[in-house]
Amino acid sequence: DAKTTQPPSMDCAEGRAANLPCNHSTISGNEYVYWYRQIHSQGPQYIIHGLKNNETNEMASLIITEDRKSSTLILPHATLRDTAVYYCIVRRIMGSGGSNYKLTFGKGTLLTVNP
Amino acid sequence: SAVISQKPSRDICQRGTSLTIQCQVDSQVTMMFWYRQQPGQSLTLIATANQGSEATYESGFVIDKFPISRPNLTFSTLTVSNMSPEDSSIYLCSVAPRLAGETQYFGPGTRLLVL
Repeated sequence: DAKTTQPPSMDCAEGRAANLPCNHSTISGNEYVYWYRQIHSQGPQYIIHGLKNNETNEMASLIITEDRKSSTLILPHATLRDTAVYYCIVRRIMGSGGSNYKLTFGKGTLLTVNP
Repeated sequence: SAVISQKPSRDICQRGTSLTIQCQVDSQVTMMFWYRQQPGQSLTLIATANQGSEATYESGFVIDKFPISRPNLTFSTLTVSNMSPEDSSIYLCSVAPRLAGETQYFGPGTRLLVL
């Protein structure tokens, strides 16, 4: 699976939008971009994923560049509860060949939302 | 999404003993995964457990140390054998539900301390 690069930490003011970048310059056409977060001492929580179109759900928006080499996770109105480590992961589409559909976690970005 | 429970939620064990961790899902799932998260580190995949077949272990993990059972589509166990203090970690179960497409969900984790 393609590797991802994320800043180790970011700060955001409560109520403001948090924009978390991710670089995945070696992504291939059969790989999704996934975002998870891990709040201290809890299991990772799925946020959103996408292939090439922008995606939005009740938690966040995912903006993927046209060349798919980078993406941005947007939390539109960050709250203190959004303080967590955010992981950007690239994973092969199931059925696209081989059997390696695992999620490979990097170090992620520690987002701290400040009051 | 899938509701995942793990037992025990935490345990303190003596070196040389073994601990079996249970993972129960509220719906049938195709793939189940076991991860380890050592203190201050990111998640590392131990093995993939599909029902009806032998578990597939990642590099650095062996069946003798981490035997896995997958008796049906809603349950799996991971045993940490002959424990040492280096096995102190959070162990996480993860599943890919049939009806959730590509998404993978995580349990709350089992916090293990080996003395």
